[in-house]
Amino acid sequence: GAVVSQHPSRVICKSGTSVKIECRSLDFQATTMFWYRQFPKKSLMLMATSNEGSKATYEQGVEKDKFLINHASLTLSTLTVTSAHPEDSSFYICSAKTGVISETQYFGPGTRLLVL
Amino acid sequence: GQNIDQPTEMTATEGAIVQINCTYQTSGFNGLFWYQQHAGEAPTFLSYNVLDGLEEKGRFSSFLSRSKGYSYLLLKELQMKDSASYLCAAKDSNYQLIWGAGTKLIIKP
Repeated sequence: GAVVSQHPSRVICKSGTSVKIECRSLDFQATTMFWYRQFPKKSLMLMATSNEGSKATYEQGVEKDKFLINHASLTLSTLTVTSAHPEDSSFYICSAKTGVISETQYFGPGTRLLVL
Repeated sequence: GQNIDQPTEMTATEGAIVQINCTYQTSGFNGLFWYQQHAGEAPTFLSYNVLDGLEEKGRFSSFLSRSKGYSYLLLKELQMKDSASYLCAAKDSNYQLIWGAGTKLIIKP
């Protein structure tokens, strides 16, 4: 149980285009989803916390107009990287909590983004 | 400020035991997590401690001392597939996870 999927797993795009990454909880309802990015050999960096039906809460330094997050249902959250640039190239990982009381985050497999 | 410290890299031998330490300084404390992350993959959950003491789960055990701001992950009977990064994360008073940089564990035959 508690499986989280992400799509696509890898994406290569041209500079200036937008990329959408989907995060789905497959066998549970996720009231809260998290978006992280990770640079090579670095720790996870929380970008934003997304609650179903409300606006995402962004961490300091993360541009909300550049990284659009939508959590439209209890099983789906999307992250759109708008007008992507090479410095946005990174490993993006989503995670989900199974409920208000649940302490454990379950992670998706991640999406590797390369912006040329 | 909030901070998590863990060694950058450790090396151990197949079949042996290794202990990965983690110290934390957070504003409040609501539990400590250990995750395993293989290269190029997302983290997978290993353990969660909120009370002092040792939690054993098969070959992996996790220990917490809240008074010392200290935790360790103990891996027994090491296998080659245990080669990975091990991430320590503490939850603060706002229930935010503060992540360590991870410890890269290299297992040698």
